[in-house]
Amino acid sequence: LAKTTQPISMDSYEGQEVNITCSHNNIATNDYITWYQQFPSQGPRFIIQGYKTKVTNEVASLFIPADRKSSTLSLPRVSLSDTAVYYCLVKVNTGGFKTIFGAGTRLFVKA
Amino acid sequence: NAGVTQTPKFQVLKTGQSMTLQCAQDMNHEYMSWYRQDPGMGLRLIHYSVGAGITDQGEVPNGYNVSRSTTEDFPLRLLSAAPSQTSVYFCASSKDRVSNQPQHFGDGTRLSIL
Repeated sequence: LAKTTQPISMDSYEGQEVNITCSHNNIATNDYITWYQQFPSQGPRFIIQGYKTKVTNEVASLFIPADRKSSTLSLPRVSLSDTAVYYCLVKVNTGGFKTIFGAGTRLFVKA
Repeated sequence: NAGVTQTPKFQVLKTGQSMTLQCAQDMNHEYMSWYRQDPGMGLRLIHYSVGAGITDQGEVPNGYNVSRSTTEDFPLRLLSAAPSQTSVYFCASSKDRVSNQPQHFGDGTRLSIL
């Protein structure tokens, strides 16, 4: 099964913008790209979702190029509380309905 | 609105014991799924269901059974627990399989097999 590919970890400082890129070469046609955030000892929490171009909400922005084989989650002005694991999630075209999580990106925000 | 509720939150089993992890959602979601998460790893899909009476296998289904007799409940059964099944188990639900609505996750069940 094709999976998403993300950097294993990233470090940042408070107030900086953080960009996390995810590769998903086998994304299913008409499928959306969804990003989740997970804190220790909690279940993942939905952040943002998009199909193409750019999506923005109160938490983040999501940039998706025309070929949709990758996407970039942008977190503006991160704080210590943004330290978490971020997952990019897509459905892959396997003929079934399976949503596959990658290993995620561990973001550590320093003071 | 409780969302997705998982019970128990913690459990310790001996090798060979059986157990059922409970998952219930009150959002009338059609799609439900079970994941396991090992330390430092991402989530792996065990089984999923697109509606009452319909289930299918995910990435790592061996050693686990599921059933979906109602829309609300999606229990996960370990028939004969093995130490390799020590993990954190998450249940999730979403509106359906077509609308691309995001999944809502429970807080997890932390399971240790001795």
